[in-house]
Amino acid sequence: RKEVEQDPGPFNVPEGATVAFNCTYSNSASQSFFWYRQDCRKEPKLLMSVYSSGNEDGRFTAQLNRASQYISLLIRDSKLSDSATYLCVVNSAAGTASKLTFGTGTRLQVTL
Amino acid sequence: DVKVTQSSRYLVKRTGEKVFLECVQDMDHENMFWYRQDPGLGLRLIYFSYDVKMKEKGDIPEGYSVSREKKERFSLILESASTNQTSMYLCASSRGGSNQPQHFGDGTRLSIL
Repeated sequence: RKEVEQDPGPFNVPEGATVAFNCTYSNSASQSFFWYRQDCRKEPKLLMSVYSSGNEDGRFTAQLNRASQYISLLIRDSKLSDSATYLCVVNSAAGTASKLTFGTGTRLQVTL
Repeated sequence: DVKVTQSSRYLVKRTGEKVFLECVQDMDHENMFWYRQDPGLGLRLIYFSYDVKMKEKGDIPEGYSVSREKKERFSLILESASTNQTSMYLCASSRGGSNQPQHFGDGTRLSIL
């Protein structure tokens, strides 16, 4: 079983739609969770951290379910500029370093 | 804003060459990382470092080595390049501690002929 699993998509949605991605992780000792965004042929960029109580940043909402070991990202009112690959990322601490494990990503295509 | 700078965006080398990829960060981060990213496989950790002169193997260290002589600089070395090392290489840095996000450089697209 992969440490972090995501549906690769693609998710094709019209502008204005609400779309949700899920991600599951296998290490129950994981402490930190993030969503990154990666545009085609660019580097991953931090979108948001995921907190136990859930958190929101504008149109983006992240949720964590520790019991079921999954993380979700909800995007409301999708924009064309949201088209990208979204990476689910989980911490697996190794000594003092923050060692992250990346999912392979879910591709989102927002259309007119 | 965190700035992670990789020395080259595109690089073409020949099989058997020794290849150096350089990465510099300007935020005084303790941790630095090298990944490679291949289609369908996602990001895979090659090596990381949590302090000057310290290094730890990641998930796929074979065929690579690293050097961290200064806090801001982390170099990835391909000792004898092979065609299966053709990939996108990404450097990242983060603050010390176990719950910190990582910040990435632009990446180096390396082709080994």
